[in-house]
Amino acid sequence: GENVEQHPSTLSVQEGDSAVIKCTYSDSASNYFPWYKQELGKGPQLIIDIRSNVGEKKDQRIAVTLNKTAKHFSLHITETQPEDSAVYFCAGSGNTPLVFGKGTRLSVIA
Amino acid sequence: DAGVIQSPRHEVTEMGQEVTLRCKPISGHNSLFWYRQTMMRGLELLIYFNNNVPIDDSGMPEDRFSAKMPNASFSTLKIQPSEPRDSAVYFCASSFAGQGSYEQYFGPGTRLTVT
Repeated sequence: GENVEQHPSTLSVQEGDSAVIKCTYSDSASNYFPWYKQELGKGPQLIIDIRSNVGEKKDQRIAVTLNKTAKHFSLHITETQPEDSAVYFCAGSGNTPLVFGKGTRLSVIA
Repeated sequence: DAGVIQSPRHEVTEMGQEVTLRCKPISGHNSLFWYRQTMMRGLELLIYFNNNVPIDDSGMPEDRFSAKMPNASFSTLKIQPSEPRDSAVYFCASSFAGQGSYEQYFGPGTRLTVT
């Protein structure tokens, strides 16, 4: 089955800098890769996703890139703000339920 | 849109007691997922339903756990008897499993503490 690895597990950046979180997956049949943001005491919230027919997708300060050949995808957050501090999860799936990475705790230092 | 609704938000119970967690998925969604989140194990899929039918319950840790979905708008996760190691946050999520559509939306979770 699918296996999703995520790194780093923790990431600290200065406000205004960029943050990058990387994930790899094992199942070449996977074709959908969402990213979730989880704030303290809340459920994971879908923030952006990408399907295997595109290589990059942007939404304001966040972007996701996908390299199908290498089987890895990344989340990029530019101009980070304190409210970006949270745990971020990547996930992947094909015709099966989402398989999640272990999460990255992002801290944006003002 | 009310989103996925879970109740209760917090549950504290004593070991050996029965616990029932409830979930109302987003209207129109036909897939429902139960997850457990702990620091040690992260986010684990326990069971999921398509069109109210359980598809895969291989993530259910033991026979003490059971889940039902009697209709498209309601699901329960029951633990009987509960044990301290069941303490975790339990999330329900729903999606519309149509062609090319996999967006999954999570509820706020139920924080379970078993003493």
